Amino acid sequence: ETGVTQTPRHLVMGMTNKKSLKCEQHLGHNAMYWYKQSAKKPLELMFVYSLEERVENNSVPSRFSPECPNSSHLFLHLHTLQPEDSALYLCASSQDFGGLSRTDTQYFGPGTRLTVL
Amino acid sequence: QKEVEQNSGPLSVPEGAIASLNCTYSDRGSQSFFWYRQYSGKSPELIMSIYSNGDKEDGRFTAQLNKASQYVSLLIRDSQPSDSATYLCAVNAWRTDKLIFGTGTRLQVFP
Repeated sequence: ETGVTQTPRHLVMGMTNKKSLKCEQHLGHNAMYWYKQSAKKPLELMFVYSLEERVENNSVPSRFSPECPNSSHLFLHLHTLQPEDSALYLCASSQDFGGLSRTDTQYFGPGTRLTVL
Repeated sequence: QKEVEQNSGPLSVPEGAIASLNCTYSDRGSQSFFWYRQYSGKSPELIMSIYSNGDKEDGRFTAQLNKASQYVSLLIRDSQPSDSATYLCAVNAWRTDKLIFGTGTRLQVFP
């Protein structure tokens, strides 16, 4: 247990559905992240929130919409996804983001395995 | 050129041997380096972080960093079958806290 939880753990959805992924961290961290992990590819950073403000948006299609209501919770709202969006979606948190020296360690949640039919 | 390169493996070692996992990176300004272990179907878990040139030891794990050669490695001593997993190298992009991950090296430790 890393102190980062994600729900649901598995999700199957059609291309016309709308669903949301939820992440919660119990570590008192100020930064939260969404990553996508596809087979044979490195983890891809999607979004970064620092103190509830989005600070990075890595050219992610608008069918993915993040929301960070407070520093402990992060959502990823999904709509009109494509089959190629099927992947493991990982949430992570770290103490801070954008520090001047060392990058803080990121701790990952268990992930949501998403299948788009 | 990939930003963070790892041999995908599999790297097969017998139980009790030393496993050596290697990673090269392209950003000369990188300052923070991490090794994560990921079991099949699970999320990455931190093994080690290293920030200065040289060796850093933690139990059976040793991380080695050579910034001049842009090279970071992870040694696992007395390898166990439970060490069988994919090991991800992650490096920060210069002047940001964004982590760039390699594709990982799959390690297989056989009895």
